[in-house]
Amino acid sequence: AQSVTQLDSQVPVFEEAPVELRCNYSSSVSVYLFWYVQYPNQGLQLLLKYLSGSTLVKGINGFEAEFNKSQTSFHLRKPSVHISDTAEYFCAVSESGTSYDKVIFGPGTSLSVIP
Amino acid sequence: EAGVVQSPRYKIIEKKQPVAFWCNPISGHNTLYWYLQNLGQGPELLIRYENEEAVDDSQLPKDRFSAERLKGVDSTLKIQPAELGDSAVYLCASSGTSGGANTGELFFGEGSRLTVL
Repeated sequence: AQSVTQLDSQVPVFEEAPVELRCNYSSSVSVYLFWYVQYPNQGLQLLLKYLSGSTLVKGINGFEAEFNKSQTSFHLRKPSVHISDTAEYFCAVSESGTSYDKVIFGPGTSLSVIP
Repeated sequence: EAGVVQSPRYKIIEKKQPVAFWCNPISGHNTLYWYLQNLGQGPELLIRYENEEAVDDSQLPKDRFSAERLKGVDSTLKIQPAELGDSAVYLCASSGTSGGANTGELFFGEGSRLTVL
């Protein structure tokens, strides 16, 4: 069975500084990987996804992530954060089987951007 | 295109009372999910539907929770009776197919926040 680990529960960072949010997963089969963002009192929305092909994927709001199969990681990065990036970020994995419908989420990382 | 719609957004009840949440997925999405999200934690799957069939309900506490998805479109999640520990956000999500395959990309509603007093 798959699982998702996000080692950093809280990440404070100054405005315009770079940030990396870490995600590791475990699975014995092929996976798709996702990063979702959740703003206060809202549902989750997709930031980016890795399905296949290039291991570096770009998403909305200037975020990107790199899939590393050997390290089973999918870290999220942004070169320069903005105040509006303050939110909860969730890494998720869907596992192949009969379909990719089973989606498991990590515990989340709270990103706080400091002015 | 309308997104996933959930109601109510907020609900406050006393313990032992019943409560129900409703979800209307994105049109054409066959897969519907109910997730539980406790404060400061990631979503945890309660139940997953493929059309009208519950294909994964292993994490649904069946003694007090029930769900249905009649006609394979909208869905209702019920708790009866509610307990203090049920206070959380209940998220509904749906997914469809792209190029004939479901990739697991989820589209979420805004959630229903339950407070049990």
